[in-house]
Amino acid sequence: GAVVSQHPSWVICKSGTSVKIECRSLDFQATTMFWYRQFPKQSLMLMATSNEGSKATYEQGVEKDKFLINHASLTLSTLTVTSAHPEDSSFYICSARDRSSTDTQYFGPGTRLTVL
Amino acid sequence: QKEVEQDPGPLSVPEGAIVSLNCTYSNSAFQYFMWYRQYSRKGPELLMYTYSSGNKEDGRFTAQVDKSSKYISLFIRDSQPSDSATYLCAMRPSGNTGKLIFGQGTTLQVKP
Repeated sequence: GAVVSQHPSWVICKSGTSVKIECRSLDFQATTMFWYRQFPKQSLMLMATSNEGSKATYEQGVEKDKFLINHASLTLSTLTVTSAHPEDSSFYICSARDRSSTDTQYFGPGTRLTVL
Repeated sequence: QKEVEQDPGPLSVPEGAIVSLNCTYSNSAFQYFMWYRQYSRKGPELLMYTYSSGNKEDGRFTAQVDKSSKYISLFIRDSQPSDSATYLCAMRPSGNTGKLIFGQGTTLQVKP
């Protein structure tokens, strides 16, 4: 099956620092990747759609200058949380769209961010 | 009204029971339907993918779609403690965006 990896799996940082999270599709090419945020006991909240070679599309209420997305290749998208604050602490999950078979999304294992 | 409604549970059943998980939706444009399983502190894992009304079976799992009623179900036979997780339904219309609309997720606990 399709495999998506995320790195790091968890990170702790100080308030005011920036954190980069990588999302990779390991065995398929993904022209589109999605970034989600999930709070405890809640469903996934879509933050943005990342398209290879073009600017990301952000959902309403998501600050594009705070959550920088770069989709540098067909297998890699990165999310950078800039000037992180404690309220940014959350579980960040990416997914990659596999259009070759079922045309659906396969999720990474998630990254737990804790901002002190 | 949310586009996709899913009972959050929690749902607790004994081992071996048949589990029924359900979602209703309001947007008749939804054409593709998925069920994901999410263990605590992990990313969602795709279980089932369907695009037509009717049943689709995969091992102990059966996905059912009724587009006329805007209702989808996931049945788990012979449930095991390892099935304890949160189950998310997801759906999307045809088209190129690929964006999924998720249900709230149902937490299932299978007791040995």
